[in-house]
Amino acid sequence: DAGITQSPRHKVTETGTPVTLRCHQTENHRYMYWYRQDPGHGLRLIHYSYGVKDTDKGEVSDGYSVSRSKTEDFLLTLESATSSQTSVYFCAIRGGVLNSPLHFGNGTRLTVT
Amino acid sequence: AQSVSQHNHHVILSEAASLELGCNYSYGGTVNLFWYVQYPGQHLQLLLKYFSGDPLVKGIKGFEAEFIKSKFSFNLRKPSVQWSDTAEYFCAVNARQGAQKLVFGQGTRLTINP
Repeated sequence: DAGITQSPRHKVTETGTPVTLRCHQTENHRYMYWYRQDPGHGLRLIHYSYGVKDTDKGEVSDGYSVSRSKTEDFLLTLESATSSQTSVYFCAIRGGVLNSPLHFGNGTRLTVT
Repeated sequence: AQSVSQHNHHVILSEAASLELGCNYSYGGTVNLFWYVQYPGQHLQLLLKYFSGDPLVKGIKGFEAEFIKSKFSFNLRKPSVQWSDTAEYFCAVNARQGAQKLVFGQGTRLTINP
């Protein structure tokens, strides 16, 4: 398995609190992605990064921000969590070689009460 | 923008039955196609991928998929399923350029009865 670690694995938080999820990779891959998984929606892209300090929005980016200050870490922040952000969050990485597949982390289950 | 549609939300089969899961995509350019599997409580794992060449691709665990360009389809097949194939299956597509953001279908939950 690709060297991807997501932390925390589970988190319960209250509405209105800030939350940061971390994705750490040991593969030195250029591309990193944050997806959320919800029943009936599959996985939807939140944000992605194509290099240090280079990020862009995905299809469901509202309410989320990201940062990538070094190659190995990609942080996802919910500035003020809402119940609609209760989900399972997956980080994925991809090397710079064209057409290389994505490899996924184990996910973070976030519950916003 | 790309979109992916998986027609079957939940499929229930008996062991040894044949499987075909439908996937259609919408995109005007050249794409890469993937099937991922997610076993209960686990992360997504790559089953197979198509980039170019032979439209019939073989993946792990006896799965295969056929790319039919004229139908914008990439259906997943397995001749004889096992109880251990119980999982959720996702079709995905990305454009063959740039950040190659992967767009997923809604997923198909497969239940195999012993």
